[in-house]
Amino acid sequence: DAKTTQPNSMESNEEEPVHLPCNHSTISGTDYIHWYRQLPSQGPEYVIHGLTSNVNNRMASLAIAEDRKSSTLILHRATLRDAAVYYCILSSTGSARQLTFGSGTQLTVLP
Amino acid sequence: DGGITQSPKYLFRKEGQNVTLSCEQNLNHDAMYWYRQDPGQGLRLIYYSQIVNDFQKGDIAEGYSVSREKKESFPLTVTSAQKNPTAFYLCASSIQAKVNTEAFFGQGTRLTVV
Repeated sequence: DAKTTQPNSMESNEEEPVHLPCNHSTISGTDYIHWYRQLPSQGPEYVIHGLTSNVNNRMASLAIAEDRKSSTLILHRATLRDAAVYYCILSSTGSARQLTFGSGTQLTVLP
Repeated sequence: DGGITQSPKYLFRKEGQNVTLSCEQNLNHDAMYWYRQDPGQGLRLIYYSQIVNDFQKGDIAEGYSVSREKKESFPLTVTSAQKNPTAFYLCASSIQAKVNTEAFFGQGTRLTVV
């Protein structure tokens, strides 16, 4: 299975944009890029996903590199409630084993 | 409301006892998953099921068992063979046929074996 690489931790100031990177150099053509986040002692929560084009929703934006070997989750204005572990995940139509999680990035938002 | 429910939220068991964690969903999802999370770590896949009466081992299935007799239910049994069962257990579900849809997670069960 293709894997992802994320920084262990990042910090951001409140009300500033946050760019969370993810490398997936072995991504296949059928792999979707998903992002989830997890608050302490809770189950993960879906954030956004995409295949090739950049995506926007009410929570965030997903910027996907042209070669698809990396992507960036963008939180436009970080709030204290955005402090969480963010997971970048690849999910393929060709694989029954979907949603394989790595260690993620711990985002700290400073007031 | 539609969703995925895990129970109980906290569970304490003595070493050597089997214990079953409940996971129920009313989202009409075909696929269901069990994950284990240790402190400061990511999620590791224990078992997954794509359809009723079918399930496959994940990365760390040893010491665990599951059943999928009903679409809405996917219970996980932590057996005495699991050497280090204390962990946070998460259940999830998704629409199997559509990869580009989100997965829904329960709030987890924190199992402590003493």
